[in-house]
Amino acid sequence: QEKVQQSPESLIVPEGAMSSLNCTFSNSASQSIWWYQQHPGKGPEALISIFSNGNKKEGRLTVYLNRASLHVSLHIRDSQPSDSAVYLCAVSRGSNYQLIWGSGTKLIIKP
Amino acid sequence: DAGVTQTPRHEVAEKGQTIILKCEPVSGHNDLFWYRQTKIQGLELLSYFRSKSLMEDGGAFKDRFKAEMLNSSFSTLKIQPTEPKDSAVYLCASSLATGGQLYFGEGSKLTVL
Repeated sequence: QEKVQQSPESLIVPEGAMSSLNCTFSNSASQSIWWYQQHPGKGPEALISIFSNGNKKEGRLTVYLNRASLHVSLHIRDSQPSDSAVYLCAVSRGSNYQLIWGSGTKLIIKP
Repeated sequence: DAGVTQTPRHEVAEKGQTIILKCEPVSGHNDLFWYRQTKIQGLELLSYFRSKSLMEDGGAFKDRFKAEMLNSSFSTLKIQPTEPKDSAVYLCASSLATGGQLYFGEGSKLTVL
């Protein structure tokens, strides 16, 4: 069964620094990889997705995908206290593009 | 535009009761998902509808969990009978196109005593 693993489990980063989150998946045939942000008491919110090997940049976010090593990372430049949240990695698979979810990384930005 | 609306936000039930959670997806979205979220198991898919047709029913959740799409703008999740292990946040999400971004509601927090 396909698995998605995220690391670290939690991360404390000073305000203004770069936050780096990791996600590994078990099936190189997976389609898109998504990153979602979830604040306490709220539902997850999509941040960015990637399909092709390489990197994709949107604002302060950069995501890197390496299908050969089954690894994707999310980097948040100039981290802000409002970035404090749980970040979920989700990998789509199958004809229904069903998402397999990681267990999340809790990011805390310290002012 | 209105996002995904879930009601109630909080529900407390006695073991053995029947509870119904409600979801209104984003207008015009074709795909609808019900998830359960717990600290231990994370996000687990309960049901997936595409254009009101049930595509996946979450296997292990079949016996006491039933999701329905009464029309394209309203879905319910019935849990019958409830058990304490059902205590979790139940999230509804919708998507405009298969494989696209999911839009989540704020969830319904269920506590079963």
